[in-house]
Amino acid sequence: IAGITQAPTSQILAAGRRMTLRCTQDMRHNAMYWYRQDLGLGLRLIHYSNTAGTTGKGEVPDGYSVSRANTDDFPLTLASAVPSQTSVYFCASSGTGGTGTDTQYFGPGTRLTVL
Amino acid sequence: AQSVTQLGSHVSVSEGALVLLRCNYSSSVPPYLFWYVQYPNQGLQLLLKYTSAATLVKGINGFEAEFKKSETSFHLTKPSAHMSDAAEYFCAVSHSGGYQKVTFGTGTKLQVIP
Repeated sequence: IAGITQAPTSQILAAGRRMTLRCTQDMRHNAMYWYRQDLGLGLRLIHYSNTAGTTGKGEVPDGYSVSRANTDDFPLTLASAVPSQTSVYFCASSGTGGTGTDTQYFGPGTRLTVL
Repeated sequence: AQSVTQLGSHVSVSEGALVLLRCNYSSSVPPYLFWYVQYPNQGLQLLLKYTSAATLVKGINGFEAEFKKSETSFHLTKPSAHMSDAAEYFCAVSHSGGYQKVTFGTGTKLQVIP
């Protein structure tokens, strides 16, 4: 059982470059999320998707975009990376999006450094 | 609006000693509360959650937490620390809505001293 996979594991990126972080889940979960984790700030939600074909903005969406073409995949794109986007990015999924009680399942993370 | 405050970014305990990690929440509606654990270089995984049933919640690896509405607290405890408990612990609050808006605390890193 893979759960959630993320790629790449880590990446060093020049500022101004475009980058897509990949996320795939095999649990047939409806909802998926992207978080960034920064020291001292915990996890902050970037974007979410309650079901395939729909997406929404989280707490820190600026500079990021997402798509949800199918249930399994939820890529996160940085159109033009900036150093402040240096972070560890986690993808997560949950069974449904609106109940509030769902457990979220996390991928192993992508460590991104923007120089 | 909802938020969680974790007291102490770093906590050290001796192996075999009581573990107590503190979490206080703020929520304008009845909250759902979670504790997640993150081992080095891994994603978060659920330890336990409170969903308005029993106020004392038991989780994996011998951890438990008690929801105290009067104190707006959801502290995590374990009677006897093991070396394998060394990790970072995150308290989180959620409620029903258009999407599962989960607000995470800033985390408490637990060190277990042999």
